[in-house]
Amino acid sequence: ILNVEQSPQSLHVQEGDSTNFTCSFPSSNFYALHWYRWETAKSPEALFVMTLNGDEKKKGRISATLNTKEGYSYLYIKGSQPEDSATYLCAFFTWMDSSYKLIFGSGTRLLVRP
Amino acid sequence: DSGVTQTPKHLITATGQRVTLRCSPRSGDLSVYWYQQSLDQGLQFLIQYYNGEERAKGNILERFSAQQFPDLHSELNLSSLELGDSALYFCASSVRGSTDTQYFGPGTRLTVL
Repeated sequence: ILNVEQSPQSLHVQEGDSTNFTCSFPSSNFYALHWYRWETAKSPEALFVMTLNGDEKKKGRISATLNTKEGYSYLYIKGSQPEDSATYLCAFFTWMDSSYKLIFGSGTRLLVRP
Repeated sequence: DSGVTQTPKHLITATGQRVTLRCSPRSGDLSVYWYQQSLDQGLQFLIQYYNGEERAKGNILERFSAQQFPDLHSELNLSSLELGDSALYFCASSVRGSTDTQYFGPGTRLTVL
């Protein structure tokens, strides 16, 4: 059974704090790892698609790293703002049993207090 | 606005019925993905189509089926509906496949009474 785990489950920080979350996935048959930002009552919004070991992507104050050999990715938010409050999801793309599979983690819920 | 459209926005139906949800991908995108978000559950991947062919399959029930048409729009058919099928169904599209950014539609909220 393929398992994608995210930690922590939830996080409360003060405005201005920097924070990071982890996505752990199987280290074999890696195709891609996606990060999404999901605000309540909205649709998920793509942040990054990570494909190569050692990948590092950045968008404004948010960045992500990837280690496919050990099966984890970190998402960092620098100087958190209240508008960063959302659930951050990762999704693991793999090949298994002669087909592609896409497995989502359960997300990290971030609340940034003003 | 992601460029992905889904209809209808809301759907209320009874147990045992059959419904069809529709998705139009962004212009130029060849892949369509379907997801289910049930109450208190995370996002579950159902199925992916690429240029009319099934590409990846997730936890899709046998009562559910999907297809992608030559104009690249996709439909998700849900039959013999049960109360537990009540959920938010998202469609997403991407240019090709696993290494491309997915753009999500606004979702269809299905309520089964």
